[in-house]
Amino acid sequence: ELKVEQNPLFLSMQEGKNYTIYCNYSTTSDRLYWYRQDPGKSLESLFVLLSNGAVKQEGRLMASLDTKARLSTLHITAAVHDLSATYFCAVDLNNDMRFGAGTRLTVKP
Amino acid sequence: NAGVMQNPRHLVRRRGQEARLRCSPMKGHSHVYWYRQLPEEGLKFMVYLQKENIIDESGMPKERFSAEFPKEGPSILRIQQVVRGDSAAYFCASSPRSSGVSTDTQYFGPGTRLTVL
Repeated sequence: ELKVEQNPLFLSMQEGKNYTIYCNYSTTSDRLYWYRQDPGKSLESLFVLLSNGAVKQEGRLMASLDTKARLSTLHITAAVHDLSATYFCAVDLNNDMRFGAGTRLTVKP
Repeated sequence: NAGVMQNPRHLVRRRGQEARLRCSPMKGHSHVYWYRQLPEEGLKFMVYLQKENIIDESGMPKERFSAEFPKEGPSILRIQQVVRGDSAAYFCASSPRSSGVSTDTQYFGPGTRLTVL
């Protein structure tokens, strides 16, 4: 059974700091997604990572995928308050998506 | 191109009533997925449908829950005889699933928040 684990589940950081969110999964898959969810809203797709070594960057967020280690990271650079949200990773296995529990990020002034 | 639409956005039911959740996929998308998000938990896969076909319902509870995606009209997630434990946010996602294309990310609707009193 595919299991997806994120850590940390809660993250409080100050503006300007850097941090990394980790996503481990248990079964081989070469398709991993990162989503953002603001309170009361649906998920917003951030990144789709399709191959080993894939790295994508958008603004202050950078995602990478290591399929051999079954690990993806979401790195936050110089955090700003607008990044406060819950971030989910999800792994696609045979036509369905399995999500991590989410990392609730709070960026404080 | 309108995004994935779900209605109602909020639904309140009393125990024992039926809940019907609707999902209209993005234009051109023929694949629909339903997820449930319990409070303080991540999304859980429920069912994957194509037009008129259920492809994977491994995440659906065995009783009281059913889903359909008719040839015409939205996909429907139906919960019969709701109980308090059914209170959750239900998200629908759609994808084109074009053959040979692997960048078919899923696009999520805004969700329906079901509250069972």
